[in-house]
Amino acid sequence: AQKITQTQPGMFVQEKEAVTLDCTYDTSDQSYGLFWYKQPSSGEMIFLIYQGSYDEQNATEGRYSLNFQKARKSANLVISASQLGDSAMYFCAMREGMDSSYKLIFGSGTRLLVRP
Amino acid sequence: KAGVTQTPRYLIKTRGQQVTLSCSPISGHRSVSWYQQTPGQGLQFLFEYFSETQRNKGNFPGRFSGRQFSNSRSEMNVSTLELGDSALYLCASSGGQGATDTQYFGPGTRLTVL
Repeated sequence: AQKITQTQPGMFVQEKEAVTLDCTYDTSDQSYGLFWYKQPSSGEMIFLIYQGSYDEQNATEGRYSLNFQKARKSANLVISASQLGDSAMYFCAMREGMDSSYKLIFGSGTRLLVRP
Repeated sequence: KAGVTQTPRYLIKTRGQQVTLSCSPISGHRSVSWYQQTPGQGLQFLFEYFSETQRNKGNFPGRFSGRQFSNSRSEMNVSTLELGDSALYLCASSGGQGATDTQYFGPGTRLTVL
């Protein structure tokens, strides 16, 4: 069965520094998608970045980049130049059923706190 | 473009009652998925609808049901509420096709069962 593991329940980072949030996944599918979402205390899940299993380049979106290591089955999120507004829960997710139905499997999340 | 909207945002019910939650997807999106988020179980997939048809269903009892209308709006219903149904219910929409399709989430409905 597909599974997402986030081993860091909580992390601190100093404002303006970079931080890496870990994510490993387990799947027997050749085609899959990996996502990172941010969830502030308000509860809404905000899409950050996507990486496809066949993408050769690591995805980047502004201050967010995804360090994709397919052989190690890891998809770590890197946030550069952290800001106070980055304090939130971060979830790694994998899409199951790439060709038909849409179902995301989520990790347990990492709570990031940015210190001023 | 307006985002995904969910109503109501907060709901308090008592055990045994039933509840209906509503979700309006982003304009043009045909796929709507529902997720339940609890502190103990995390985020769990409930079901997905595409063009009024349920395409996938998670491991939840039959008390949880849903439907999608011709305008892609979706509702989920929980009958005979239990204390354990207290959760944040998140709705997400996407185009529904293509490998790079991304789900966008609404603000959620926070359900409390007393």
